Amino acid sequence: QSVLTQPPSVSGAPGQRVTISCTGSSSNIGAGYDVHWYQQLPGTAPKLLIYGNINRPSGVPDRFSGSKSGTSASLAITGLQPEDEADYYCQSYDTSLSGSNVFGTGTKVTVL
Amino acid sequence: QVQLQESGPGLVKPSETLSLTCTVSGGSISSYNWFWIRPPPGKGLEWIGYIYYSGSTNYSPSLESRVTISVDTSKNQFSLKLSSVTAADTAVYYCARPYCSGGRCYSALYYWGQGTLVTVSS
Repeated sequence: QSVLTQPPSVSGAPGQRVTISCTGSSSNIGAGYDVHWYQQLPGTAPKLLIYGNINRPSGVPDRFSGSKSGTSASLAITGLQPEDEADYYCQSYDTSLSGSNVFGTGTKVTVL
Repeated sequence: QVQLQESGPGLVKPSETLSLTCTVSGGSISSYNWFWIRPPPGKGLEWIGYIYYSGSTNYSPSLESRVTISVDTSKNQFSLKLSSVTAADTAVYYCARPYCSGGRCYSALYYWGQGTLVTVSS
């Protein structure tokens, strides 16, 4: 059972904007720890989309953006494209588990 | 360009020890933390643990009693051992390295191996 909760699924039509939430607590996101986001296409390794809450590695389209507030974080995808259909995970650090990196429960994005 | 490649048996019997190696190419294993991650079938990503090139380790509390991660800097490799495996340990196992920028390294994982499927079955 992950300490970071994401909606199981979100969907949108091409060109639309979708957001994925990552809800934590005072022992992880709320404690100020960074949140990172990954995209995982079927049969492939996860790809880092956002690091340090809001930053994109080189090569990641600016359609992907991250934000953080209080005990939650969000990933927004604007101008949704068919190739964005994938699983998305957030990651942070949690102090309630003897100091541990933790991943979110994962969200399946479907492009309608 | 840093590349990671997992290797090891794809089939392990219940109660035995799963052993995997990650070979790092295109860069030195010295510096950085080196991670093992798995997404069990039907579940999200699970952090197993990491090792610093000097040998210090940090394991997931849920797996700590069964996990050992080691590093061999002479071979530019690090390894995972998971003991007393059960069917619940069947998963694709990934090795990974964090993202570093501007002199700072994050816990965000940027370099990943392709993953190796390990099935626990008799």
